[in-house]
Amino acid sequence: DTGVSQNPRHKITKRGQNVTFRCDPISEHNRLYWYRQTLGQGPEFLTYFQNEAQLEKSRLLSDRFSAERPKGSFSTLEIQRTEQGDSAMYLCAGGRENTEAFFGQGTRLTVV
Amino acid sequence: GEDVEQSLFLSVREGDSSVINCTYTDSSSTYLYWYKQEPGAGLQLLTYIFSNMDMKQDQRLTVLLNKKDKHLSLRIADTQTGDSAIYFCAESPDGGSQGNLIFGKGTKLSVKP
Repeated sequence: DTGVSQNPRHKITKRGQNVTFRCDPISEHNRLYWYRQTLGQGPEFLTYFQNEAQLEKSRLLSDRFSAERPKGSFSTLEIQRTEQGDSAMYLCAGGRENTEAFFGQGTRLTVV
Repeated sequence: GEDVEQSLFLSVREGDSSVINCTYTDSSSTYLYWYKQEPGAGLQLLTYIFSNMDMKQDQRLTVLLNKKDKHLSLRIADTQTGDSAIYFCAESPDGGSQGNLIFGKGTKLSVKP
């Protein structure tokens, strides 16, 4: 158990709906990362936070995606107007500078 | 551009050694990592190596780094059925601060009894 929890574990939604995922790292994790993993691929970086500041965003993060970490603790990732291509595992990881990142179990999104 | 490549499959017999290979492109990567992912689970960091090292050993795991060829390998000694999983190689192109890891597609290791 890495101490990083993600909710929900699974989400099925209809195309066009909005979805929101939550990640709770442990309190020592001032860094928080979001990755997306599709079937047969490795995780792809989406964005990361240092405390509450969003420091980097990937080109993969279209304007339908938004992430927040309002108090520097938990984070949410929202996808608006979901598309079938958004179906993937969304992974969150917590860590500190120059130390390993601890991954949660992920949220599997299926868009039907 | 940045890219990490791995062979997709490896099959070994229980008790044999497994060697998983990886090539990366960013010579500025300060750390290189091996992660393990079991079915339906998140990623578990197995080991990592600093770019000024050639080798790192941790119990049954040995990591070899050839910085000139940008080649990384993971050797698992005395492979067990519990080692069956997907193994990902990853580099940290922003100089080791662990943001923005670039992962390979993963090597699926199957261990036959």
